[in-house]
Amino acid sequence: KNEVEQSPQNLTAQEGEFITINCSYSVGISALHWLQQHPGGGIVSLFMLSSGKKKHGRLIATINIQEKHSSLHITASHPRDSAVYICAVPPYNNDMRFGAGTRLTVKP
Amino acid sequence: DVKVTQSSRYLVKRTGEKVFLECVQDMDHENMFWYRQDPGLGLRLIYFSYDVKMKEKGDIPEGYSVSREKKERFSLILESASTNQTSMYLCASSFWGLNYGYTFGSGTRLTVV
Repeated sequence: KNEVEQSPQNLTAQEGEFITINCSYSVGISALHWLQQHPGGGIVSLFMLSSGKKKHGRLIATINIQEKHSSLHITASHPRDSAVYICAVPPYNNDMRFGAGTRLTVKP
Repeated sequence: DVKVTQSSRYLVKRTGEKVFLECVQDMDHENMFWYRQDPGLGLRLIYFSYDVKMKEKGDIPEGYSVSREKKERFSLILESASTNQTSMYLCASSFWGLNYGYTFGSGTRLTVV
């Protein structure tokens, strides 16, 4: 079993829809990262969170440390949100374990 | 704007060549990482370093070596490139502990022919 599981693997939405991507992990951690990778591009860190909720524009990330689960929400989705979203955890504080990624396509 | 800079965006090398991939960060980060990313396999750690001259093997170190002579620079070396090393290579850096400030470079797409 992978240490970090993401779902869904692929997601297609219509512009304006509310989107949720889920991440579950099996290791003990103090923080979790959400990353975004555009086609052919590098990877950008969206959030690092250790409790509760963080919001940045239309993106919201939540985490429940006890349940070992995090969600990334996108409100009012737009085609420019199309990317791969990756959940990552640092189980030993100086390494990272990555989910397989969720490929999001937002259609106009 | 803080950055992790990888020296090449695209690289084509011949089988058997020695290949150097360079990564430089300007954030005074202690940790630096090299990953490769392949379709269906996601990101896999090759090596990481938590201090100058220190290195730790990741999940797939075979066929690779690294060098960290200065805090800001972390080099990945393919001693004798092979076609199965064709991949996207990503460098990242962060502060010690919890990986605060975790930042990726833009990646190097290496093709070995």
